[in-house]
Amino acid sequence: NAGVTQTPKFQVLKTGQSMTLQCAQDMNHNSMYWYRQDPGMGLRLIYYSASEGTTDKGEVPNGYNVSRLNKREFSLRLESAAPSQTSVYFCASSERQGSDYGYTFGSGTRLTVV
Amino acid sequence: GQQVMQIPQYQHVQEGEDFTTYCNSSTTLSNIQWYKQRPGGHPVFLIQLVKSGEVKKQKRLTFQFGEAKKNSSLHITATQTTDVGTYFCAGPSGGSYIPTFGRGTSLIVHP
Repeated sequence: NAGVTQTPKFQVLKTGQSMTLQCAQDMNHNSMYWYRQDPGMGLRLIYYSASEGTTDKGEVPNGYNVSRLNKREFSLRLESAAPSQTSVYFCASSERQGSDYGYTFGSGTRLTVV
Repeated sequence: GQQVMQIPQYQHVQEGEDFTTYCNSSTTLSNIQWYKQRPGGHPVFLIQLVKSGEVKKQKRLTFQFGEAKKNSSLHITATQTTDVGTYFCAGPSGGSYIPTFGRGTSLIVHP
């Protein structure tokens, strides 16, 4: 099915471990985003990529890095995981900046850091 | 920075009752988007409003954008158990095309 695919769906990490969250979209969208969702906090933007080859910080970028590998793929890396990074991570894409069609979200990665 | 506030945080209703959630911004918004997230799911785009005073309907859902483009509302008529979930509004902050999400309103429908 067309859409945004995230892997893995669940992950448990120990403090200090590193990991990469993968995201791929098959809708030929230009822009891609990484959000984290914590209870009662809504969705907070971590990083985004307006187009292939560009990345920019969002509201909560500390402790994360991203790579826009190509037009389809946008990965999020935690270099040294901390318990404060326990969250649900969503990748999203949109057709273009300020698209009238909104964002298409992936199904999320539920990350626990112990 | 821009704040997008949503009220209420939670709303319990009996099936068949109406429901309204409100979204307020500290700054003028170029547009407002609404999303629905089912429990355990991911946000799904519902609609975007762009014009001052705009009203759009999707079956039992009515979306409004305020005249000053600083507030918006989502009204559901005669709620059903399938309406359960969290409803988010999102609007771009000044100078950016990236929308800031409100914290959402969780709707609980009692059969």
